[in-house]
Amino acid sequence: QQQVKQSPQSLIVQKGGISIINCAYENTAFDYFPWYQQFPGKGPALLIAIRPDVSEKKEGRFTISFNKSAKQFSLHIMDSQPGDSATYFCAASSTGTASKLTFGTGTRLQVTL
Amino acid sequence: NAGVTQTPKFRILKIGQSMTLQCTQDMNHNYMYWYRQDPGMGLKLIYYSVGAGITDKGEVPNGYNVSRSTTEDFPLRLELAAPSQTSVYFCASSYDQPQHFGDGTRLSIL
Repeated sequence: QQQVKQSPQSLIVQKGGISIINCAYENTAFDYFPWYQQFPGKGPALLIAIRPDVSEKKEGRFTISFNKSAKQFSLHIMDSQPGDSATYFCAASSTGTASKLTFGTGTRLQVTL
Repeated sequence: NAGVTQTPKFRILKIGQSMTLQCTQDMNHNYMYWYRQDPGMGLKLIYYSVGAGITDKGEVPNGYNVSRSTTEDFPLRLELAAPSQTSVYFCASSYDQPQHFGDGTRLSIL
C-alpha cells in the first residue's frame, strides 16, 4: 500500500499559535519522510525531512515528530506567522526506488493576524 | 543558478491537440520526474527517469509520453489532449533526496 494520508485538509491558526499537520502511512519500507511547502504559483520546496532512526527533528520553528510503531509523522509550526500561509505536503520514499515520492493530499494553512 | 526550468508557464489546448511540456535542469541530477497536481489530490507521479535513455511509468502515465536524451532535459508529451488532463504539471530533479521542483505549467484543455 503506497498511500500517504494527510490531515487536516485546511487549517486556520492565529499569529503566534501552533500549527499541526498529521500524516499516516502503510508501507513499512518507507524510510524518508519530507515535508514540502508550496506558495501559490510556485513549485513545492523542501521544508524539513526526517529518517526513521530519530523520533524528532527541529529546524527553527519547524519540527517533525515521527512515530515508527504507529506509522505516523507530523509537522509542528511554532509561533506561526502570516508568511507561513501556504500549502504543506507530507511525502514518503523508500531506498532503492529512484527516490520516488508518494505525496499526501496537502493542507492549506492560513495564519491570521 | 536556475535550478529546474519549465516552459511554458500557461497553455490552453483544444481537445485532441498535442503539445510538449519542456523541463530542463542545470544541477547535473540523474533523476528527473513529472507530476501532475489537481486540487485536493496532492501530486501524482506521471513518469520518471533515472538517467539519459532510461524512463519508467509512475502512478498515472496514461495519455502521456516522455523521453530523456540528455541529462538536462526531460520533456513530457501529450499526444491527444483530453479534458481530464487539465492540471498543473510539475517537473522535478534530484541526485538522491530532496527533489527540486520547477514552478509548473498550468494546462487547460477545452
